[in-house]
Amino acid sequence: DAKTTQPPSMDCAEGRAANLPCNHSTISGNEYVYWYRQIHSQGPQYIIHGLKNNETNEMASLIITEDRKSSTLILPHATLRDTAVYYCIVSSKNANAGKSTFGDGTTLTVKP
Amino acid sequence: NAGVTQTPKFQVLKTGQSMTLQCAQDMNHNSMYWYRQDPGMGLRLIYYSASEGTTDKGEVPNGYNVSRLNKREFSLRLESAAPSQTSVYFCASSLPTIGGTQYFGPGTRLTVL
Repeated sequence: DAKTTQPPSMDCAEGRAANLPCNHSTISGNEYVYWYRQIHSQGPQYIIHGLKNNETNEMASLIITEDRKSSTLILPHATLRDTAVYYCIVSSKNANAGKSTFGDGTTLTVKP
Repeated sequence: NAGVTQTPKFQVLKTGQSMTLQCAQDMNHNSMYWYRQDPGMGLRLIYYSASEGTTDKGEVPNGYNVSRLNKREFSLRLESAAPSQTSVYFCASSLPTIGGTQYFGPGTRLTVL
């Protein structure tokens, strides 16, 4: 599975959009982009995933560039409860593909 | 529907002691994983099981063994605990195969003195 690169930390004002970038320049054609978040040492929580089209759910939006080498997770109206570590990973759904690497993620701090 | 459960929540061991961390999921998932997370670090994969009866090494398997007891349960064993194994251990499961969305348990906080 491809590796990802994320900035170690970001700040965002409460009520504003938080845009978290992720680079995955070695992504393969059958690999999905997944985003998880971890709030204060709890188990990571799934947010969203996509293959090549932009995706939106009740938690966030995922924008994937046309060449699929990078993506952005958007939290449209960040709240203090969105303060967490956000992980971007790429993973194939092929049963023989092995495992994903989480990396260190981006620590997002939402400030009042 | 409890999702992924882990026992115990906390454990303190002395160097050289052994123990087994238990994980169970009730979502009928095929794949299960064990990760460790050291303070201020990301998750590192210890072992995973793509399906019942199979297990494979992850990034950091040394010092650990696993058993996929049945489709629901995946245990992690430390045969001779070392201080370097002090960490938070997370179990996860996914369907239908490796690489699908993972659902995590609450973690086991292990301290080895």
